[in-house]
Amino acid sequence: GNSVTQMEGPVTLSEEAFLTINCTYTATGYPSLFWYVQYPGEGLQLLLKATKADDKGSNKGFEATYRKETTSFHLEKGSVQVSDSAVYFCALKFNDKIIFGKGTRLHILP
Amino acid sequence: NAGVTQTPKFRVLKTGQSMTLLCAQDMNHEYMYWYRQDPGMGLRLIHYSVGEGTTAKGEVPDGYNVSRLKKQNFLLGLESAAPSQTSVYFCASSYSTSYEQYFGPGTRLTVT
Repeated sequence: GNSVTQMEGPVTLSEEAFLTINCTYTATGYPSLFWYVQYPGEGLQLLLKATKADDKGSNKGFEATYRKETTSFHLEKGSVQVSDSAVYFCALKFNDKIIFGKGTRLHILP
Repeated sequence: NAGVTQTPKFRVLKTGQSMTLLCAQDMNHEYMYWYRQDPGMGLRLIHYSVGEGTTAKGEVPDGYNVSRLKKQNFLLGLESAAPSQTSVYFCASSYSTSYEQYFGPGTRLTVT
């Protein structure tokens, strides 16, 4: 079946550090891939998405590339800020359903 | 636009009690969803609706019922609450499956 696996947290980094959060997926077809972000006390917000192989999604300095050969969609940011502290969810959409990973909590220290 | 709103924000129930969670959206979206979020489990789909008057089961539907009598509202009911239903519940809506889902702020439910 379809599933998403992302690195377990929490991930703690200093401000201006480079961020990578790994995400791999298993899918029977050609899903769309997403990263959602959840700030404390709020619902999820779409951060970026990619709908086909080799697409790169980007937003707010974050990037992720749809890699079909490695079934991955790793989230990266070159220089994180304290305001990036949140929980990040990788997700895939296939047919009508979105399947979420378990989430990775990110702490950024000033 | 208020987006997606949920009421109540917090609730404590005793085992066996019933309650209804209300989700409302003002974006004229066809699709609406109820998820639960538990530590280490991510979000799991409970029920969803593809339009007014329709509902369908998601991944974890047992113990819950839903209704979509009006396009803008999606109700989640617990007929007899159990401690296993302690969770944070999120409602979401989307224009279609091809568009992003917009999430409400969540309802934190504790069943004692």
